[in-house]
Amino acid sequence: DADVTQTPRNRITKTGKRIMLECSQTKGHDRMYWYRQDPGLGLRLIYYSFDVKDINKGEISDGYSVSRQAQAKFSLSLESAIPNQTALYFCATSDSEGENTEAFFGQGTRLTVV
Amino acid sequence: AQTVTQSQPEMSVQEAETVTLSCTYDTSENNYYLFWYKQPPSRQMILVIRQEAYKQQNATENRFSVNFQKAAKSFSLKISDSQLGDTAMYFCAFSNSGAGSYQLTFGKGTKLSVIP
Repeated sequence: DADVTQTPRNRITKTGKRIMLECSQTKGHDRMYWYRQDPGLGLRLIYYSFDVKDINKGEISDGYSVSRQAQAKFSLSLESAIPNQTALYFCATSDSEGENTEAFFGQGTRLTVV
Repeated sequence: AQTVTQSQPEMSVQEAETVTLSCTYDTSENNYYLFWYKQPPSRQMILVIRQEAYKQQNATENRFSVNFQKAAKSFSLKISDSQLGDTAMYFCAFSNSGAGSYQLTFGKGTKLSVIP
């Protein structure tokens, strides 16, 4: 089983709909992240959380919200989806112990807003 | 804010040859980490290699090595004996060290095609 699991893998939704992307991890890491990937733009940080009570906006948080339900779960919500939120979304985790900042990624959720 | 620049949107290399992907970054920090991630068509993000800024020795992982030039803020990836499985998007990424600074800043990526 994957250490970082995203659901769903693919989703098509209509403009204006609310949608939630879910992420769970079994690595025991306390840091979790949501990134968005667009062609030609690389990955950009949406939100990050260093523990259950610590949630921070990233570079492109407008139109998104997150919930850290537990150490192992970090959900991303689009309150009212719009077509320019069509993208590949990645959840990632990293460890707070020591200086190892390697991030471990889920398999991504491809979201299409029509 | 840190920025990461990959100036080669696409590259190709013959199988078994060597290719170098370029990456430059901008930061005022002295301690930080640099990474190369590979994204094959399966879209999984896979860590290829990591470099710690305070280490002068260039990191190597089998056929993958980096040329880290701290003063020039350059971090290139060399792939030797290229294989068809190396075909992928490659992303250079930067992370500060120290508490509260672990999120990654990515470059826009280089699409590498290995030609049989």
